[in-house]
Amino acid sequence: DGGITQSPKYLFRKEGQNVTLSCEQNLNHDAMYWYRQDPGQGLRLIYYSQIVNDFQKGDIAEGYSVSREKKESFPLTVTSAQKNPTAFYLCASGSNPHSGNTIYFGEGSWLTVV
Amino acid sequence: RKEVEQDPGPFNVPEGATVAFNCTYSNSASQSFFWYRQDCRKEPKLLMSVYSSGNEDGRFTAQLNRASQYISLLIRDSKLSDSATYLCVVKAMDSNYQLIWGAGTKLIIKP
Repeated sequence: DGGITQSPKYLFRKEGQNVTLSCEQNLNHDAMYWYRQDPGQGLRLIYYSQIVNDFQKGDIAEGYSVSREKKESFPLTVTSAQKNPTAFYLCASGSNPHSGNTIYFGEGSWLTVV
Repeated sequence: RKEVEQDPGPFNVPEGATVAFNCTYSNSASQSFFWYRQDCRKEPKLLMSVYSSGNEDGRFTAQLNRASQYISLLIRDSKLSDSATYLCVVKAMDSNYQLIWGAGTKLIIKP
C-alpha cells in the first residue's frame, strides 16, 4: 500500500532522554514535513525538507533535529533540550511544494514525557 | 492578527441541517487553499481543494472570496459522521510555499 508510515504510535520519554520518531513514505514525494499539535491547537511546523540532504527549520525547531539521507525517510529526534515535548507529532509528505498540490499525513505519533 | 483564522466553535448542528463556516486569511499573495478534516486524536485528512471558481463534492461545497480574503465550507444534509474538526489551510508563494494552518472549527452533529 502507498502511504506514509510513522512509528511508534505511542512513545513515553523520561526527562533528559532523546527519542527518535520514524517517518517513511513510498509516495515518491520530494517534500516531507514534521508538525506538532497540542490539544485544541493548530499544527505548528517543526522542520521541513524539500529535497534529499536538505532541510529547513520551521516555526518551532528548537529542541528538535532531523535528517534527510534518503528520499523516503525523514526521522525526527526530540532532544532533551525540548522542554515541553508532550504532544501529537505528525509527519507529512507532498510533491513539489512550488505546485498547487497539498500534503498528506501519516497517522501520527503520541509522545508523552513521564 | 493570525495569518489564518477560524471560529473554533463548536458548532452544534442537528442531523440533516446545513452548516457553513468561514476561514479568513491575511496574506493577499495566498495562492492555494484547502479544507482538511481531523477526527479526534487522528491525523488531518484532505477534504477538498478550493478553486477560484468554487468546487463541490457531494454534500460539500467550498468557495473562495479573494476580495474579502476568505474561504468557506458548506455541508448540506449533515450526517453524524460529519462530526470532526475542519482545518483551513492556505499556501502563499511569498512564504516559501509553506502551508499556513488555521486552528480548526469543531463541528458536532446531533441526532
